[in-house]
Amino acid sequence: GQQLNQSPQSMFIQEGEDVSMNCTSSSIFNTWLWYKQDPGEGPVLLIALYKAGELTSNGRLTAQFGITRKDSFLNISASIPSDVGIYFCAGLKGAQKLVFGQGTRLTINP
Amino acid sequence: DSGVTQTPKHLITATGQRVTLRCSPRSGDLSVYWYQQSLDQGLQFLIQYYNGEERAKGNILERFSAQQFPDLHSELNLSSLELGDSALYFCASSVGHPQGGYGYTFGSGTRLTVV
Repeated sequence: GQQLNQSPQSMFIQEGEDVSMNCTSSSIFNTWLWYKQDPGEGPVLLIALYKAGELTSNGRLTAQFGITRKDSFLNISASIPSDVGIYFCAGLKGAQKLVFGQGTRLTINP
Repeated sequence: DSGVTQTPKHLITATGQRVTLRCSPRSGDLSVYWYQQSLDQGLQFLIQYYNGEERAKGNILERFSAQQFPDLHSELNLSSLELGDSALYFCASSVGHPQGGYGYTFGSGTRLTVV
C-alpha cells in the first residue's frame, strides 16, 4: 500500500534551536497535513497544504508542499519546551483515507 | 476539546476477554476512522465507516470488528484479547470523504492494557 517515509525518526535538540523534518512518498498526493501528538493525547492538526509549491506558516511553524507533490517538510523555529512531542505527516489523495508517516519524536533539552 | 469523544479513556482487561471502545464523532462529521497506536509506533489504520457503512479496511485483525450506528457514533469491538493488543486506540472523524483535505479530527484515545 501507500507509504510515507518520514525523517528523522527522532531528534534531540537544545531549546532555541531550529528543527526541520520531512516526508517523502513514491505517490503523488494533492494534500499534505502535519499533525502533532502530545503524550497520551490524539494528534492535532498543525498545518494543511493544498497546492504544490505552497508555503504556509503557523506561528513558528512553516511547512511546504513539494513541487513534485511527493514530499513535504516542516520547520520549527526557535524551539521551546512545549514543542516536545511526535510530529506526523499525512498525505491525502482524492477521497481516499489519510496515509500517515511513522512520526518524528522531538525531544528538547532545556 | 476536539469535538471527538472517546470512551473509556483507560481500560485494563485480561487476556481472552472482549472489550468495546466507543467513539462519538464531531457534530456534522459522517466519517469515522479507527487507528491503533502501539508503544512508540505510528498510527495504523484499522477501519473506516461513512454514514453507517464500512468504506475502507486496513490492518484490522479478524478478532476485531466495528460498526457505525444511525446516530453516527461508532464502536470498535476487540475480542479474544492478547497481550499484543495493548495500545492506544484512536478514533477520528471528518465531514465526509476528506476531499480538499481538512483532514481528520482525532479524539484523545482509549488506552487499552491487556494483562
